[in-house]
Amino acid sequence: KAGVTQTPRYLIKTRGQQVTLSCSPISGHRSVSWYQQTPGQGLQFLFEYFSETQRNKGNFPGRFSGRQFSNSRSEMNVSTLELGDSALYLCASSLRLAGGPTYNEQFFGPGTRLTVL
Amino acid sequence: SQQGEEDPQALSIQEGENATMNCSYKTSINNLQWYRQNSGRGLVHLILIRSNEREKHSGRLRVTLDTSKKSSSLLITASRAADTASYFCATVSNFGNEKLTFGTGTRLTIIP
Repeated sequence: KAGVTQTPRYLIKTRGQQVTLSCSPISGHRSVSWYQQTPGQGLQFLFEYFSETQRNKGNFPGRFSGRQFSNSRSEMNVSTLELGDSALYLCASSLRLAGGPTYNEQFFGPGTRLTVL
Repeated sequence: SQQGEEDPQALSIQEGENATMNCSYKTSINNLQWYRQNSGRGLVHLILIRSNEREKHSGRLRVTLDTSKKSSSLLITASRAADTASYFCATVSNFGNEKLTFGTGTRLTIIP
């Protein structure tokens, strides 16, 4: 099976702009989670989507939002970019069954490196 | 916020030696997972150990879990240059979600 793909791989934006990142999960995986990685804060959970519904959300401001489509592909949007939003954004998919949580391993994409100038 | 700390933050060893990394966490967990990350890339899942397990092996990897101490260790035996990477532990809570809470990571360097 093809792995998790993320586009674009690199982005450069300026403060105040908005950005949309895309993630395609492994075929058959319906759970998609997003993480932000920075040198200062490490790896932090942003949100998780399952069957087009946000199931969990981390402690990030409302400028960070996401959605999931019927084919399980997910997008993440950051509006009004700040310098501190510069980070590696990682998407992960997992095999979560309709009956509930499975606590399985997550499969990560290569990430999108966002630089805000 | 981080679930816990990893120790040491950085580790350099000679190729062929064993590497041990430790992870401590704070809350009740369903399972604990270890991931590897090569230089700014995505994370690769290494091993998952459930809260009712005490030890697990996968190839050259050995993971232990002590829920009474809220700690885990990852042992890599007979290290290779290709093992150079950052290693993260991540916990999954008992509260019904897929959220991974990561530790701070250990940067492992294998010296050829």
